[in-house]
Amino acid sequence: QLQLQESGSGLVKPSQTLSLTCAVSGGSISSGGYSWSWIRQPPGKGLEWIGYIYHSGSTYYNPSLKSRVTISVDRSKNQFSLKLSSVTAADTAVYYCARTVRITIFGVVISYYMDVWGKGTTVTVSS
Amino acid sequence: QSALTQPRSVSGSPGQSVTISCTGTSSDVGGYNYVSWYQQHPGKAPKLMIYDVSKRPSGVPDRFSGSKSGNTASLTISGLQAEDEADYYCCSYAGSFWVFGGGTKLTVL
Repeated sequence: QLQLQESGSGLVKPSQTLSLTCAVSGGSISSGGYSWSWIRQPPGKGLEWIGYIYHSGSTYYNPSLKSRVTISVDRSKNQFSLKLSSVTAADTAVYYCARTVRITIFGVVISYYMDVWGKGTTVTVSS
Repeated sequence: QSALTQPRSVSGSPGQSVTISCTGTSSDVGGYNYVSWYQQHPGKAPKLMIYDVSKRPSGVPDRFSGSKSGNTASLTISGLQAEDEADYYCCSYAGSFWVFGGGTKLTVL
């Protein structure tokens, strides 16, 4: 059974870079048909998609965060990572990683959704 | 890009049915059949309840159903149970990125 586990710095100072890692177990991060996402949830607020990385290495980011976000993958460790630069208090949130399923037949996408999520990790931006 | 629009709260009594709407645009909900719904209990991670507008993952009760008309998707929960009380979020593909709704708090009276 696939499991995802977030880890990283829980407290980050303003203007610094937030760094998180998502360890994947019970499956290979290199399997075709999947991409690996980051989503966040500020305290008492809704969910916000940050971005994802395909098994091929291609990345896609939320346009509102694109200038500050980098998602990368380490296949040897079966994990992927998030870096968010120049953080402010508005970046305080619970950060989740998730698997995104993309099923295609003859090049046509017939199914596309995020299914397995990690439990989340809290990141606070404060001096 | 703007968040999808959901009612902030809905409520129903045990055994009743409730429907949660999710309104977007032709660039997201109306343009793709990749709408999913997530249930989130306090302090927990979101759980996938519906994907591709109306498909249910294995293990999700058939009391949960999804549909879409134009730019609005809907989640219907029939035969409400106490454990259904939670926050619900819709999510839609918007062409190279994803957008979530603001969330709806379901209260079981």
